[in-house]
Amino acid sequence: DGGITQSPKYLFRKEGQNVTLSCEQNLNHDAMYWYRQDPGQGLRLIYYSQIVNDFQKGDIAEGYSVSREKKESFPLTVTSAQKNPTAFYLCASSQYGLGTGELFFGEGSRLTVL
Amino acid sequence: AQSVSQHNHHVILSEAASLELGCNYSYGGTVNLFWYVQYPGQHLQLLLKYFSGDPLVKGIKGFEAEFIKSKFSFNLRKPSVQWSDTAEYFCAVMTNRDDKIIFGKGTRLHILP
Repeated sequence: DGGITQSPKYLFRKEGQNVTLSCEQNLNHDAMYWYRQDPGQGLRLIYYSQIVNDFQKGDIAEGYSVSREKKESFPLTVTSAQKNPTAFYLCASSQYGLGTGELFFGEGSRLTVL
Repeated sequence: AQSVSQHNHHVILSEAASLELGCNYSYGGTVNLFWYVQYPGQHLQLLLKYFSGDPLVKGIKGFEAEFIKSKFSFNLRKPSVQWSDTAEYFCAVMTNRDDKIIFGKGTRLHILP
């Protein structure tokens, strides 16, 4: 089945540690996105990538880093510089170039900093 | 920077009531507009979208939305809600300036049986 796979589903981290969240898609989509979802805050854009080897900061990029070495993969690293990392993280993809903008979401990864 | 505002954070309705959820965006150029829904325990999924043409768009499960350019609005409507419509609803906008898709803060809809 085509879709987006995020892993791990749940992750615990000690303060001061970096952690990487995986996002893989087999939809052959060009664009990929990372959002953070907090209660009452909706979805806030962290980073997005329209094409391999290129990505742009979203509205809350501080303390996060990404890479896009392959079309199907867009991992997100939550660094120790992120002040409040405990959140639900959503990865999404869309078909760039057709202008559809429709996003397909993964199941999410819940990160808890202890 | 563009932004999306959803007026109602939490709405409670009885079954068969009519629904209207407000959404306004701030951007003066061309936009694509979306409503996404997140049912309890499920993925976010697309409810409906507007790109161009008829400003009244119809989506899944009897939902519709009207794009009013002069008001920068894209309100979601349903004439008669069901208990299964209980979910969180997000309005989103994509501008012609970049491929960022910006979401509103969401509206939690609770339907009483």
